This record gives sequence, C-alpha cells and structure tokens, in this order.
Amino acid sequence: GAVVSQHPSWVICKSGTSVKIECRSLDFQATTMFWYRQFPKQSLMLMATSNEGSKATYEQGVEKDKFLINHASLTLSTLTVTSAHPEDSSFYICSAWEGWVGELFFGEGSRLTVL
Amino acid sequence: SQQGEEDPQALSIQEGENATMNCSYKTSINNLQWYRQNSGRGLVHLILIRSNEREKHSGRLRVTLDTSKKSSSLLITASRAADTASYFCATGRGGGNKLTFGTGTQLKVEL
Repeated sequence: GAVVSQHPSWVICKSGTSVKIECRSLDFQATTMFWYRQFPKQSLMLMATSNEGSKATYEQGVEKDKFLINHASLTLSTLTVTSAHPEDSSFYICSAWEGWVGELFFGEGSRLTVL
Repeated sequence: SQQGEEDPQALSIQEGENATMNCSYKTSINNLQWYRQNSGRGLVHLILIRSNEREKHSGRLRVTLDTSKKSSSLLITASRAADTASYFCATGRGGGNKLTFGTGTQLKVEL
C-alpha cells in the first residue's frame, strides 16, 4: 500500500525554538494532507487541512501563526511549530489523501517534547 | 469538537474471546472507518463502511453501522495478544477524506 513518511519521528527542543515536521507521500501524489495532534491516551484532533499550492485550512481554535503549514509540492507538507512551549509537547500525525484509490494513509507520527 | 464517542474506553479480555467496541457520532456522515493504533505509532486502517451499508466483514473483523441510531460497532473475533492496541472510529464528512476521530477504545488481550 501507499506509504506516508514523517520526519523526524521524535524531537526534543528547548522552549522558544521552532520545530519543523515533514510529511511525505512516498509513492503517490497528495493534493490534500491533514495534520492531527494527539495527547497521551487521547484521540486525534484535526488541526488543519493542507492543500497543495494554497493556504492551509485550520480548525477552530488552532492558531495558524503558531502552527505554520506549507504544502509546496504534491508529495510534501510541513508543519512548523513556532516558538514552541512545553504545552505544545504532543504526538503529531499527518495523513495524505490518495485520490486515485480513494484512501487516506497515515504517517507514523512525530513526538515533540518541548523542555 | 470531537464527533464520536466510543465505549468502552478500555477493554481487557483473554485471548480467544471476542472484543466488541461501540462508536456513536452526532451528525450525518458519508462513511465511517475504524483504525488501529499501537502505542506511540501511526494509524492503520482496518475497515470502511459507507453510510448506505449496514454490515461489513474483513477477516476477523465485523463492523456494523446503524445510521438511524448514529452508531457503529467493531467486533474482533477470536482475539489474539497481537490485537492489543487502541481502536478508533472516524467519520468522514464532505469529500469523505476529512476525518473526525472518536475517543478510542484501548483493548488489551491477555494470554
């Protein structure tokens, strides 16, 4: 099946720094990708819809200036957590829509720890 | 806001037993999907059931959908220790690829 790769799989950073997480569709083109956030033992909360070549659509309550999303190519979307704080520590998961087969594929997630 | 609620939140069974998880949602949907997540990992798609379907099978999995009650159930038969994971239902809206996840059920299958 199609593969979605996230990098890095885990990252530790100091408070105030920015962290970029990449989401790549390895063997298909994805015009739409989604970013989710998951706290321990909780469900996935949709943060934003990333559209290739246009601005991301953010869910209510998600700060777009805090979580910058760029979808510059059909195989790559990036999520940048700007000026990260400990409360941003979470598991971030992306998914990519494979329109040809009509299926959504998820990355393995990226665990962010902000000290 | 979270669309789906699942129960039970946690389920512990013995290997060989069946596990049933329920999901309720609030608004109309195009489809409902079930995913599995091992601890600290990404999601694995298990099965999709469309709004005009009532039941679907895939191996040891059986999913039902009752749109009148806005609920779905996932049955795992003859469970194995390797089935230990969190299971989430997710509902699709719009084009169907924008998913809203349920609260999840943590299943533990003991030997």
